[in-house]
Amino acid sequence: NAGVTQTPKFQVLKTGQSMTLQCAQDMNHEYMSWYRQDPGMGLRLIHYSVGAGITDQGEVPNGYNVSRSTTEDFPLRLLSAAPSQTSVYFCASSYSPDRLSQPQHFGDGTRLSIL
Amino acid sequence: AQKITQTQPGMFVQEKEAVTLDCTYDTSDPSYGLFWYKQPSSGEMIFLIYQGSYDQQNATEGRYSLNFQKARKSANLVISASQLGDSAMYFCAMRERAGGTSYGKLTFGQGTILTVHP
Repeated sequence: NAGVTQTPKFQVLKTGQSMTLQCAQDMNHEYMSWYRQDPGMGLRLIHYSVGAGITDQGEVPNGYNVSRSTTEDFPLRLLSAAPSQTSVYFCASSYSPDRLSQPQHFGDGTRLSIL
Repeated sequence: AQKITQTQPGMFVQEKEAVTLDCTYDTSDPSYGLFWYKQPSSGEMIFLIYQGSYDQQNATEGRYSLNFQKARKSANLVISASQLGDSAMYFCAMRERAGGTSYGKLTFGQGTILTVHP
């Protein structure tokens, strides 16, 4: 089972460039989310989606865009990369957001460096 | 204010000993869930254990158990019989209602690095 697949695994960008981090899940999960992980700060929620066509902002949304045209895919777009966006990015998914006990399944992460 | 606090940046334990990783949380919602995740040096996030706010008993999963003290708002992870492979970063996380009846959002603590010595 593929689970949650993130691509690419590593990426180096120059300041001002844009790019899309891909996330796909094959578990028919309604809920998908993007986190960034920075040293000493745990994981912080960037954007999330409770179903196709529905997205909302998390704790740190500035500089990022998302869309959810299908249940399976939830890409994260960096509009104009900044060094402060250097981080490890995780995509996660779970069943219905109303199921409190459902754990989120994480992808393996994308390590992004902005020069 | 921090919703999830892990006060131990690093912990050390001898192989085969038990260790407790601390987690305190802050919420006014009576319905919430608490999760623990393990992140080894390879980077992936591995779900370990879940405790619901209305669960009467402490959760257990193999060598992992959760010491849930609701009045104190603490949900400490206990790892029994530590193994070298338990060396990793451990995160406590909480899920509350994200408006209305939706429980989507997950808030993480800063993490605790556990090192198991042979």
